[in-house]
Amino acid sequence: DSGVTQTPKHLITATGQRVTLRCSPRSGDLSVYWYQQSLDQGLQFLIQYYNGEERAKGNILERFSAQQFPDLHSELNLSSLELGDSALYFCASSPPAGGLNTETQYFGPGTRLLVL
Amino acid sequence: AQKVTQAQTEISVVEKEDVTLDCVYETRDTTYYLFWYKQPPSGELVFLIRRNSFDEQNEISGRYSWNFQKSTSSFNFTITASQVVDSAVYFCALSEQGAQKLVFGQGTRLTINP
Repeated sequence: DSGVTQTPKHLITATGQRVTLRCSPRSGDLSVYWYQQSLDQGLQFLIQYYNGEERAKGNILERFSAQQFPDLHSELNLSSLELGDSALYFCASSPPAGGLNTETQYFGPGTRLLVL
Repeated sequence: AQKVTQAQTEISVVEKEDVTLDCVYETRDTTYYLFWYKQPPSGELVFLIRRNSFDEQNEISGRYSWNFQKSTSSFNFTITASQVVDSAVYFCALSEQGAQKLVFGQGTRLTINP
């Protein structure tokens, strides 16, 4: 158990719908990352938040958005869902990094999204 | 640009055999970090090891060992005396200094047969 929690574990929805995925980081971690794992794209970085602020953006679609709240939990919102959005969405967290150091990311169990 | 290549898509061995998973990376940075993660059939991603570019010492943890060679841009992972519980998809990942995000390879599916 990494200490990162994600809800829900599974989500089935229809095209055109909107869903919200939730993540709680490990205690003391300030950074939250979102990744998407799909069969054709592999594991891809979507976005990072650090202490409530967006820090880095990857291959995140405009239909997707995220935020990190004062209690440090994060939500990933996916809207106008398409069949191709079906994937495993991971949240990860890492402790505060000293300087430019990169800290280890610990991953949650993932949310499996199926768009029908 | 960062890139990680795991050329072995699938490996299948019999229990107790040794197996090496290859990882080759590309980066223009002199300071970077390399990782291995394990994804068992249950789906979660489990952290195995983190290595920074200045530390070329090989590491051993029980039956697991890692060989980092900057000269060949490789960070290979060996499982000695494999067990059925080692069956999983293994991912190698790279992060450049300050970049934070992980760039993953495509993964190697390892099957250990009894």
